[in-house]
Amino acid sequence: EIVLTQSPATLSLSPGERATLSCRASQSVSSDLAWYQQKPGQAPRLLIYDAFNRATDIPARFSGSGSGTDFTLTISSLEPEDFAIYYCQQRNNWPMYTFGQGTKLEIK
Amino acid sequence: QVQLQESGPGLVKPSGTLSLTCAVSGGSISTSNWWSWVRQPPGKGLEWIGEIYHSGSTNYNPSLRSRVTISVDKSKHQFSLKLNSVTAADTAVYYCARVAAVAGNAFDIWGQGTMVTVSS
Repeated sequence: EIVLTQSPATLSLSPGERATLSCRASQSVSSDLAWYQQKPGQAPRLLIYDAFNRATDIPARFSGSGSGTDFTLTISSLEPEDFAIYYCQQRNNWPMYTFGQGTKLEIK
Repeated sequence: QVQLQESGPGLVKPSGTLSLTCAVSGGSISTSNWWSWVRQPPGKGLEWIGEIYHSGSTNYNPSLRSRVTISVDKSKHQFSLKLNSVTAADTAVYYCARVAAVAGNAFDIWGQGTMVTVSS
């Protein structure tokens, strides 16, 4: 099983700052990685797929990068609505999908 | 715009069977997409349960395979989840989601989720 490890567990930043979230895979997943945002009481929302492609209606301040085992989600300038939990997810060893444990982005 | 809606009992007794249905509206279930179930225990992360194609082909998480059955009813535009021999560890919010062929096979559309508690 491919294990995804996200860091940091919690990230405390202020609106307007840049956020950098990391996801590391236990073995290469090529570019088969997605990022999701989840707010309390809501379903996850797809942000990025195939490591760097923004999903429909996702603002340009969200960007993804990386390949192989190391991936990054960057939010260029935090808006108040961006404070949430972020998950990475891989599908490289389909038909098995795994998620990271999440990074909580909180207001400083 | 495709929408998904989960339904089913919110309380299941230990050793019983959890049964949920996901209704697909605003689009066809018979597309080049797989349809998945994902769950989230309270305060914890996401776990993929399994998926189904409109042909009836299925894939399951190996950790749950012995207890899970996912089926599809194309005439009713819905797919279903059955999880048997449940314990308190199966208490979670259960989501259905579309695996989007056009979005890198990521989960692009989700239902709102339904909380299922396993308790006597």
